[in-house]
This record gives sequence, C-alpha cells and structure tokens, in this order.
Amino acid sequence: QVQLQESGPGLVKPSETLSLTCTVSGGSIRSYYWNWIRQSPGKGLEWIGYIHYSGSTNYNPSLQSRVTISVDTSKNQFSLQLRSMTAADTAVYFCARTETVPGHHLSWIDPWGQGTPVIVSS
Amino acid sequence: DIQMTQSPTSLSASLGDSVTITCRASQRISTYLNWYQQKPGKAPKVLIYAASGLQTGVPSRFSGSGSGTDFTLTINSLQPEDLATYFCQQSYTYPWTFGQGTKVEIK
Repeated sequence: QVQLQESGPGLVKPSETLSLTCTVSGGSIRSYYWNWIRQSPGKGLEWIGYIHYSGSTNYNPSLQSRVTISVDTSKNQFSLQLRSMTAADTAVYFCARTETVPGHHLSWIDPWGQGTPVIVSS
Repeated sequence: DIQMTQSPTSLSASLGDSVTITCRASQRISTYLNWYQQKPGKAPKVLIYAASGLQTGVPSRFSGSGSGTDFTLTINSLQPEDLATYFCQQSYTYPWTFGQGTKVEIK
C-alpha cells in the first residue's frame, strides 16, 4: 500500500522560499502523476500542481510564477519549491497521487500524505 | 477556473438519518467529479470517484450521482464515524478545483 510523507520546515520567513519533499513508500513513483495541494481556512483546498515521473509538470496559473515541482526517481521523492512566500501562503501542504481509470481520463486524488503545516512569519 | 459550489455549508443530522450534499459546477464537467471525506486533523480521503464510483473499502451507505453541472453525495443511515467535512472536486480540466466543503455534525 502506497504511503506518502511530507517533510520540510514548518516556519518560513516572508519573501523566502518554501521547500518541501514528499517521500513515496510502498510503491514506485514511476507511472503516476504526483500532486501538491494546500489547505487554508481562507482559501480552502487549492491544487498547486503536478509532476509526472518523466518530469513533465502542470501548475495552477495562480501560482505558476512562483512554483517549481521536481522529481527524483532514484529516491522515490518529489519536491515543491514556492518562492516569495507571504502570509497568504500559510497553509497545510499535502502531497498526493493522481489515480485514474485505466484507459480513461477520469482521475481522482488518492492517496494523500498526512499534510505538513507551514506558517509564514518573521 | 471552474468554480465548485457546495450546499449546505454545514448540516446537523441524527444517527440513522439520510443526508444529501449537493455540488454545482460553474460549467459542464460530465462525470469528472469526485467526493472526499476529511476528518479533523486528517488528510482528505476519496469516497466517490467519477461521480458515482464507490472507492474500494468505502461503506455502501455512501453514494454519488449526477452529471453535467449538478451532483449529489448521499449518506444513508448516518453513523457516528461520518462526522467530517465533505468536499467535491472536479478533474475535468486543470487547474483542479474543490468545493468549499460541507461540515456534517451529529445531533
């Protein structure tokens, strides 16, 4: 059973860059799409972007100018960088896998990591 | 972006009741609609995929229906462990978007 675990700092200063890593265990990172999603009281659940194990990415246009998602297949990990952090980026950050119906475009998010809270404050 | 609007925002029901949550998309999304359950302090968990597909391991009292712009999640015979917030999410097009959530409380 695939499990995901986020890791990274819980506190980031304004204007700095957030770096989070998601470690995938119990299965290979290959052959799937992998997502970052965040949740805050103000904005609810917000999809940040995905990366395919091949390296292709797709980002939310609202964050595209500040986001980079990368993958390290040798470590079974993928990572998020979010630049120029502000208080509005304070949220719980989740990593998650895209699941699909074989041969179809129907997709959903499963499983999710437990989430890691990130506070932006000086 | 496709806007997802859920109603109600919260509800209170008795054990054994049937509960219905609705989700409306701002444009047609066929059946590219998923439902998640989130318990306090936990990550969301998928209940229903593709509008009506029951995820493996999810109790059969959960069901989903709808197509196009209007969708429903029904919980039959509400149980204590169903205390949670429920979200819809569209996977029709990127960026994927979520409803604001419906908090289910037990009377």
